[in-house]
Amino acid sequence: AQSVTQLDSQVPVFEEAPVELRCNYSSSVSVYLFWYVQYPNQGLQLLLKYLSGSTLVKGINGFEAEFNKSQTSFHLRKPSVHISDTAEYFCAVSARSSYKLIFGSGTRLLVRP
Amino acid sequence: DSGVTQTPKHLITATGQRVTLRCSPRSGDLSVYWYQQSLDQGLQFLIQYYNGEERAKGNILERFSAQQFPDLHSELNLSSLELGDSALYFCASSVSSTGNTGELFFGEGSRLTVL
Repeated sequence: AQSVTQLDSQVPVFEEAPVELRCNYSSSVSVYLFWYVQYPNQGLQLLLKYLSGSTLVKGINGFEAEFNKSQTSFHLRKPSVHISDTAEYFCAVSARSSYKLIFGSGTRLLVRP
Repeated sequence: DSGVTQTPKHLITATGQRVTLRCSPRSGDLSVYWYQQSLDQGLQFLIQYYNGEERAKGNILERFSAQQFPDLHSELNLSSLELGDSALYFCASSVSSTGNTGELFFGEGSRLTVL
């Protein structure tokens, strides 16, 4: 079975500062990895995904994530955040042979002026 | 706008009652997924349908059931409701039968409050 751990429940950061949201996963088989974002009162939206190939994945809104197999991590980064990035961010994992997407508990990014 | 439509957006009901949540997937998407989001459990996968057939089952209670109709819309039925069933229920859709390589498109959710 797969599991996802998002180590920080909330990350406060000032506008234009860099941010890293941490995600670690557990799986005995190869996986696909995803980051989704949920803005207030909205559904989830895909930010980026890692299926194979380059371990550095670029997504929408200037976000990127790096797949690190040895550390079983898939941390999300942005070099300079905006107020509009305030949202909840979910890391998700799926075994390559599975239909199910397993989500982490989420990290609330709070960007302050 | 993801293209996934969920109704109702809000629902308040009493314990012991039964409710039905409805989801219309994006045009062309054959897979429908149901997720439950609550403060204590996070985002939990409930069930997936692909082109009318159940494809995967997650942490769905026996009091809950779902189905996908020929026109591909889906309904999640929740019965004998308990206070702990209060949550945000999301529907998502995708083109493929496996939701693990492509993108899932989420609706805005149906917020259920059980009093």
